Amino acid sequence: DTEVTQTPKHLVMGMTNKKSLKCEQHMGHRAMYWYKQKAKKPPELMFVYSYEKLSINESVPSRFSPECPNSSLLNLHLHALQPEDSALYLCASSQERGDSSYSSGNTIYFGEGSWLTVV
Amino acid sequence: AQTVTQSQPEMSVQEAETVTLSCTYDTSENNYYLFWYKQPPSRQMILVIRQEAYKQQNATENRFSVNFQKAAKSFSLKISDSQLGDTAMYFCAFMRNYGQNFVFGPGTRLSVLP
Repeated sequence: DTEVTQTPKHLVMGMTNKKSLKCEQHMGHRAMYWYKQKAKKPPELMFVYSYEKLSINESVPSRFSPECPNSSLLNLHLHALQPEDSALYLCASSQERGDSSYSSGNTIYFGEGSWLTVV
Repeated sequence: AQTVTQSQPEMSVQEAETVTLSCTYDTSENNYYLFWYKQPPSRQMILVIRQEAYKQQNATENRFSVNFQKAAKSFSLKISDSQLGDTAMYFCAFMRNYGQNFVFGPGTRLSVLP
């Protein structure tokens, strides 16, 4: 069972809608990620939050807006999306480096994903 | 920049047999991490095995083991006693030390046949 929980599992939205994807982890991880995955392709990094601050933004269009309310939660706000934005959106988390008491190092743990269809 | 190559887009194996998935990577770094992730049709990315580059000993996890050749920059995954549930896309991934992002390979689609 995954310890990274994503909701909703499926979302269909129109190009003028505003919706949000939500992600939660209770592993005490301090880094959280959003990835986008198209069919038959590897995941592509969108955003990384480290200690609740945005540390990486991979030139993602502004119609995707991430938010990290606290160290356990990560949201992805969606507005004015295009049909080509339809994809699987994966949330993930990892322990930050430098914590010598934690053994999993750089391992990233993924949620089950949210299927997004833009019509 | 790092790159990861998986030269086998698709493979198949009979149930109970052994299969090896290949992965090569390119980096100038000395310390890094390598991973194999499995993505079954349910689409959740599941960690299969992890290797630290500074460790010479190959990682093993039950039926899964790796052959890590640091000088050759090769990181193959061996699956023994293949099971139907092993059917999935397998991604090899590289992460540099203190990094926050994977470089994924393109993936190998493995089908285990009854």
